[in-house]
Amino acid sequence: KQEVTQIPAALSVPEGENLVLNCSFTDSAIYNLQWFRQDPGKGLTSLLLIQSSQREQTSGRLNASLDKSSGRSTLYIAASQPGDSATYLCAVRQAGGFKTIFGAGTRLFVKA
Amino acid sequence: NAGVTQTPKFRVLKTGQSMTLLCAQDMNHEYMYWYRQDPGMGLRLIHYSVGEGTTAKGEVPDGYNVSRLKKQNFLLGLESAAPSQTSVYFCASSGTGISSPNQPQHFGDGTRLSIL
Repeated sequence: KQEVTQIPAALSVPEGENLVLNCSFTDSAIYNLQWFRQDPGKGLTSLLLIQSSQREQTSGRLNASLDKSSGRSTLYIAASQPGDSATYLCAVRQAGGFKTIFGAGTRLFVKA
Repeated sequence: NAGVTQTPKFRVLKTGQSMTLLCAQDMNHEYMYWYRQDPGMGLRLIHYSVGEGTTAKGEVPDGYNVSRLKKQNFLLGLESAAPSQTSVYFCASSGTGISSPNQPQHFGDGTRLSIL
């Protein structure tokens, strides 16, 4: 059974710091891995999607990597800003089906 | 830019009552999903649909039914609400064309449901 774990559960950093959020999964048979942002009381906003054949994706200050063989993904945020404060979720789409398994998220707080 | 719209946004029910949650998307997506989000549990897939007229069970389908009579709409029904169904419900959609399974999911803002 696929399990997705995100470490740390919460993180507080000063503005301007570069940071890395971690996501690990137990079953490497995946279609893709997606990183989301969730603001309090809101839905999920898609940040980056990495196909199983890809190693990384970049969008602005965000870079996501995928190492399928070791079951790991990282989300790198450069030059963090207070507006980056949110919960970040990773989700793994299982191969051969439509099931998507979510991690519990990392709550990020960027201090001004 | 409507995207995925969920109605209602909030609802309080008594145990045993029934209700339907509506999800509408205007992106011509093939796939639609219903999730619930509970503290400490993450998001869990309830039911999903791979196209108009199709539905399938997800991870936690018991106590829920769904229908996809039109491509743009996906309905989630609770026939007899229970306190364990108190949660935040999210609808998502994804995919156009043959690469549909590998395209990002887009989420609505959620429905906050309390069962007393």
